[in-house]
Amino acid sequence: SQQGEEDPQALSIQEGENATMNCSYKTSINNLQWYRQNSGRGLVHLILIRSNEREKHSGRLRVTLDTSKKSSSLLITASRAADTASYFCATDSLVGGGADGLTFGKGTHLIIQP
Amino acid sequence: DAGVIQSPRHEVTEMGQEVTLRCKPISGHNSLFWYRQTMMRGLELLIYFNNNVPIDDSGMPEDRFSAKMPNASFSTLKIQPSEPRDSAVYFCASSLVLGEQYFGPGTRLTVT
Repeated sequence: SQQGEEDPQALSIQEGENATMNCSYKTSINNLQWYRQNSGRGLVHLILIRSNEREKHSGRLRVTLDTSKKSSSLLITASRAADTASYFCATDSLVGGGADGLTFGKGTHLIIQP
Repeated sequence: DAGVIQSPRHEVTEMGQEVTLRCKPISGHNSLFWYRQTMMRGLELLIYFNNNVPIDDSGMPEDRFSAKMPNASFSTLKIQPSEPRDSAVYFCASSLVLGEQYFGPGTRLTVT
C-alpha cells in the first residue's frame, strides 16, 4: 500500500508566490523526508524531519510534521522558475530505525510560471 | 565525489533477454537501495543492502529479479527473462547517515 500520499497532484503558481504541498502517511515512522525530481533526472534530497520534530527550515523551505495526524507539509517561499519539478515525500519504518528503504508517495508536480 | 553512478543510462532490449543494471555507490556509504519508478506505481523500493548484505528484498516483484552486492563499491540488478511490464526507470541510491539517501541518475529500461 502507498505509505506517503501527496496532494495536490499538480500545482501551478506564479513566480514569487509560495507553494505548499502536503503529504499523509499511514504507519509510524522515524523520519519523513522530502525529495525533488527534475524531469528525467534522479531524486535530490531536500530536507529530513525526525518524528520528534514539528518544524524544520532550510533556506526557502519549511517543513512541518504532525505525527498525530500522520501528515507533513512542504512550503517553498518566494518560488522561482527553477523550482519547477516533482516533489515527493518519503517515509521509513519505525522498526527500521531510519536505516531501511523509503516508501515514496506519487508526488506533487509543481510548475512555476515566469 | 562523482555521486552514485549507474550504467547503462538507457537500455532497450527484447522480451526474454537478460538485463543487467549496474550501480556504484558513493564511496564510504554502507547502505545501497534499488528503486523502480513507473507512471502507474510511482517509486517502489525493490531491495536494499547494509554493509553488502541484502536486508529486505520483499519489494522484488518476481523471481526473475535478482540483485547482488559483491563488494562495497558495486551492485547489480538483473532481470531474466525480461518482460515488457519491466519497462521503467530503475534508480540506485546509497546512504551513510541514517535516512538521507543519494540517488543516481537512473537507468531507463525499455523492453519490447
